Amino acid sequence: EVQLVESGGGLVKPGGSLRLSCAASGFTFSIYNMNWVRQAPGRGLEWVSSISTSGSYIYYADSVKGRFTISRDNAKNSLYLQMNSLRAEDTAVYYCAREDSLQSFDPWGQGTLVTVSS
Amino acid sequence: QSVLTQPPSASGTPGQRVTISCSGSNSNIGSNTVHWYQQLPGTAPKLLIYSNNQRPSGVPDRLSGSKSGTSASLAISGLQSEDEADYYCAVWDDSLNGRVFGGGTKLTVL
Repeated sequence: EVQLVESGGGLVKPGGSLRLSCAASGFTFSIYNMNWVRQAPGRGLEWVSSISTSGSYIYYADSVKGRFTISRDNAKNSLYLQMNSLRAEDTAVYYCAREDSLQSFDPWGQGTLVTVSS
Repeated sequence: QSVLTQPPSASGTPGQRVTISCSGSNSNIGSNTVHWYQQLPGTAPKLLIYSNNQRPSGVPDRLSGSKSGTSASLAISGLQSEDEADYYCAVWDDSLNGRVFGGGTKLTVL
């Protein structure tokens, strides 16, 4: 079964850091681009970042550029999101999602909640 | 304010046909393929339509997608109570060099 499981969310103070992980199973992780998408409470989906199969191509939303870093470890079938200088507006459920060859996201993980508050 | 514009809400009675629109520009919908996602309450999003009008296996054929110029739409016919969810369109934007989502449409089955 294709599965994505996020972890690492929690409560952090403004200006703090957090590292999210996404463990992939049931498919050949190394041949898929991967993405992070977030959803603030009661709000819509916001794409955060994407990384190509080898990590050569990386893209970020303007809202997180310079503060967040996406990475992957194909040997460990894992995707990461290092989040620094966190702000209250970064509070959201963070989903990882596999990107197929036609650039759609399928499947998505169950999400991990990040709360930035003093 | 989302780059892609969706109506915040839509509604219909069981059996009816409803359409959800997604309006963009030449840099996104006008030059790339559109995907649609369904998010049931309290769950992660699920791919509903890919490449403008393709259904993944398991998605019933009463759901369909279309695209024309800088707009796309999702149609749901034979509306059922289980269709009550939030729906999002998504596409790559060449100007932003990133993915963009519509603001989402909350579908209510009356």
